[in-house]
Amino acid sequence: DAGVIQSPRHEVTEMGQEVTLRCKPISGHNSLFWYRQTMMRGLELLIYFNNNVPIDDSGMPEDRFSAKMPNASFSTLKIQPSEPRDSAVYFCASSSSGLTPYNEQFFGPGTRLTVL
Amino acid sequence: AQKVTQAQTEISVVEKEDVTLDCVYETRDTTYYLFWYKQPPSGELVFLIRRNSFDEQNEISGRYSWNFQKSTSSFNFTITASQVVDSAVYFCALSENSGNTPLVFGKGTRLSVIA
Repeated sequence: DAGVIQSPRHEVTEMGQEVTLRCKPISGHNSLFWYRQTMMRGLELLIYFNNNVPIDDSGMPEDRFSAKMPNASFSTLKIQPSEPRDSAVYFCASSSSGLTPYNEQFFGPGTRLTVL
Repeated sequence: AQKVTQAQTEISVVEKEDVTLDCVYETRDTTYYLFWYKQPPSGELVFLIRRNSFDEQNEISGRYSWNFQKSTSSFNFTITASQVVDSAVYFCALSENSGNTPLVFGKGTRLSVIA
């Protein structure tokens, strides 16, 4: 399996621009998580989906952030308009609710976002 | 609310020394899962181990070992005979009920192994 795929790997944009981050979870996984990593706040959850349905978006910082999961193999995280304080590494992770309760989350390589 | 504390921000050791990374957690759940992840300089997050709250057996995997003590709410990680390739940031994390719920991460411990 290719693992969790994220694109782009790096994104540099100017303040006010729209940014869209993409994630393809591992095939067969039915849970998808978006995390953000910053020096100040560490790794924090933004939103997660189970079976394509958003379960908890309380970590989404503002209305400028939105996330969708139109099908089991694709999710997007959009920031509009972007601000310099959104600069961070954004990770996508997926996991499976299979028969075992031991379901670790597999992380993608992350997208490093820089907003100038 | 769940919380994970990694009190050691940075640790520096000389190669071949043993090193223990501390992790203390807080949760009201009776069933929960604990994890360790490694983040090397390349930036990816690599899963190392999971432990559920009912299994307090210590585990050893090569040079890595983990000590889970429910009585002190700790899940410490020891690297024996450290190597330069062990240099990374190590995160302890907690999730409730099952792996399909979000991870709550500690702030991480940056380990530097000097040759």
